[in-house]
Amino acid sequence: EVQLVESGGGLVQPGGSLRLSCAASGFTFSSYWMHWVRQAPGKGLMWVSHINGDGSSSSFADSVKGRFTISRDNAKNTLYLQMDSLRVEDTAVYYCARFGSFYSFDCWGQGTLVTVSS
Amino acid sequence: EIVLTQSPGTLSLSPGERATLSCRASQSVSSSYLAWYQQKPGQAPRLLIYGASRMATGIPDRFSGSGSGTDFTLTISRLEPEDFAVYYCQQYGSSLWTFGQGTKVEIK
Repeated sequence: EVQLVESGGGLVQPGGSLRLSCAASGFTFSSYWMHWVRQAPGKGLMWVSHINGDGSSSSFADSVKGRFTISRDNAKNTLYLQMDSLRVEDTAVYYCARFGSFYSFDCWGQGTLVTVSS
Repeated sequence: EIVLTQSPGTLSLSPGERATLSCRASQSVSSSYLAWYQQKPGQAPRLLIYGASRMATGIPDRFSGSGSGTDFTLTISRLEPEDFAVYYCQQYGSSLWTFGQGTKVEIK
């Protein structure tokens, strides 16, 4: 069974940092691009970042570019999101998602809540 | 950046009725890169349709997708109680993935 489990969320002050993890199982992790998607409380979905299978290529939404870094450890089947210089508007549930057919997201984790507040 | 606009914002229907959800893009989207998701409260989104009209694994055939260019539609032929949820369209273009703002399908 394909499974994605996020962790690392919590309460952080504005300007602080947090590192999210996403543990993957049930599929050949290194063969898939992976993504982070977030959802602010009561709001819609927003794509955050992607990384390719071997970690050599990535992209970011403009709102997080220069502050967030995405990486992966294929030996540990784990995806990461390093979030620096956090802002109140970064408060959201962060989902990791597997890149599926035709540029869709075919499997999602349960999400981890990040709250940026003083 | 391609902006996706979903309508209506809320759809109030009864079980057994047909639901038609619209997703309009600010510029042409490749049909291959248009997807639909269902999200229930407290849950992660679930992929329903990809490539505009292809059903994801395990999705009941009462769900169907259609459209091309800038206009896409998700149709639920007969609403079941478990179909009341929020639905999002999503596209890929110019190295960016974007979502519509969502349509809530609620029980009338």
